Amino acid sequence: DTGVSQNPRHKITKRGQNVTFRCDPISEHNRLYWYRQTLGQGPEFLTYFQNEAQLEKSRLLSDRFSAERPKGSFSTLEIQRTEQGDSAMYLCASSFLYGDRPDTQYFGPGTRLTVL
Amino acid sequence: GENVEQHPSTLSVQEGDSAVIKCTYSDSASNYFPWYKQELGKRPQLIIDIRSNVGEKKDQRIAVTLNKTAKHFSLHITETQPEDSAVYFCAASRTGQNFVFGPGTRLSVLP
Repeated sequence: DTGVSQNPRHKITKRGQNVTFRCDPISEHNRLYWYRQTLGQGPEFLTYFQNEAQLEKSRLLSDRFSAERPKGSFSTLEIQRTEQGDSAMYLCASSFLYGDRPDTQYFGPGTRLTVL
Repeated sequence: GENVEQHPSTLSVQEGDSAVIKCTYSDSASNYFPWYKQELGKRPQLIIDIRSNVGEKKDQRIAVTLNKTAKHFSLHITETQPEDSAVYFCAASRTGQNFVFGPGTRLSVLP
């Protein structure tokens, strides 16, 4: 499968614990995006990278959230001191930005986080 | 920042009829408008997209129209089939910027 992959697919944790998710983008893609999706809503932008540089973070992203893409390939999203409001589907997407061509984003299957 | 509205939130049509979903956006600099289909428990899948230099694009039973002046774009599905039942999301972006998604439309195609 050469699409975007995410691990784990499901994560159940207790409030206050830290969790880390991984995203492996399509191999030639230089852009990687993280979104959060709650039931009945559209994906909500969190942050994105171009290669290893984190270019933008949403104001929704509290200081408990951190994301990295150390070698410009896979990315990790860590949530520290989880809260019940963090329960959601965390989606990763990747794209290839070149010139002024639209960088069509392709989504991974998501990681569903449940905070008890 | 960009704001995307989408209507209707739910839509039921009889199999074989057409379905139309409309989105409006606020940022006149947005130049790329994709549509995604998301089935229950699955990832969003791109079904069609349009750039701001084009007014209409068609792919078999699916078409998208864009009115830059009014800042709205629409998804048209003709000859609907039960497998078209899903949640559809529109999005707007500028080249190289993050997507802003609409809240989604739940389409049900009744046999």
